[in-house]
Amino acid sequence: GAGVSQSPSNKVTEKGKDVELRCDPISGHTALYWYRQSLGQGLEFLIYFQGNSAPDKSGLPSDRFSAERTGGSVSTLTIQRTQQEDSAVYLCASSLGGGKETQYFGPGTRLLVL
Amino acid sequence: QKEVEQDPGPLSVPEGAIVSLNCTYSNSAFQYFMWYRQYSRKGPELLMYTYSSGNKEDGRFTAQVDKSSKYISLFIRDSQPSDSATYLCAMRTNAGKSTFGDGTTLTVKP
Repeated sequence: GAGVSQSPSNKVTEKGKDVELRCDPISGHTALYWYRQSLGQGLEFLIYFQGNSAPDKSGLPSDRFSAERTGGSVSTLTIQRTQQEDSAVYLCASSLGGGKETQYFGPGTRLLVL
Repeated sequence: QKEVEQDPGPLSVPEGAIVSLNCTYSNSAFQYFMWYRQYSRKGPELLMYTYSSGNKEDGRFTAQVDKSSKYISLFIRDSQPSDSATYLCAMRTNAGKSTFGDGTTLTVKP
């Protein structure tokens, strides 16, 4: 079956603009995660959804970052007033949930803020 | 101090060598241990998943967990150029999110 998909695959934007990143999880996966990966760095946890609710938003770096998930499926990560330090690869992962937390990752969105 | 520390590398080995990748952790509540492989410009893919202390083997890959020492390893036997990638360890508690190491970049030279 289809894996996790993300769009766009690449995004170049100007400092100060807003961007929206989309994640389509594997069908039937109730848990969804957003991570950020900077060049040569590990994965930085951003936010976790179980269904449509976000019990853990602890990783969002500032109030410019927000995420939502509708219908227990697609999720959108929004970054407002982008800064150059927001440049990174944004990865989405999904899992079955209910304690079965093996995560399956999408290919990521490479964001470059000029 | 980070909860998960991973040997930074980079690591370069000749084809056929045995590779050892290692992580240590400080949170004794971690119960599940994973290794992910990430090729350049791709998302991480799950390679190995273990729960208990001991060894788990899958083909050329062996994952080892020592909970008493808070130490996990991934061994790759007969390494191939196609194994060249970044390897990430990850671990989680019963209830929490996964915590990842920073990754070790491996290059296997033909």
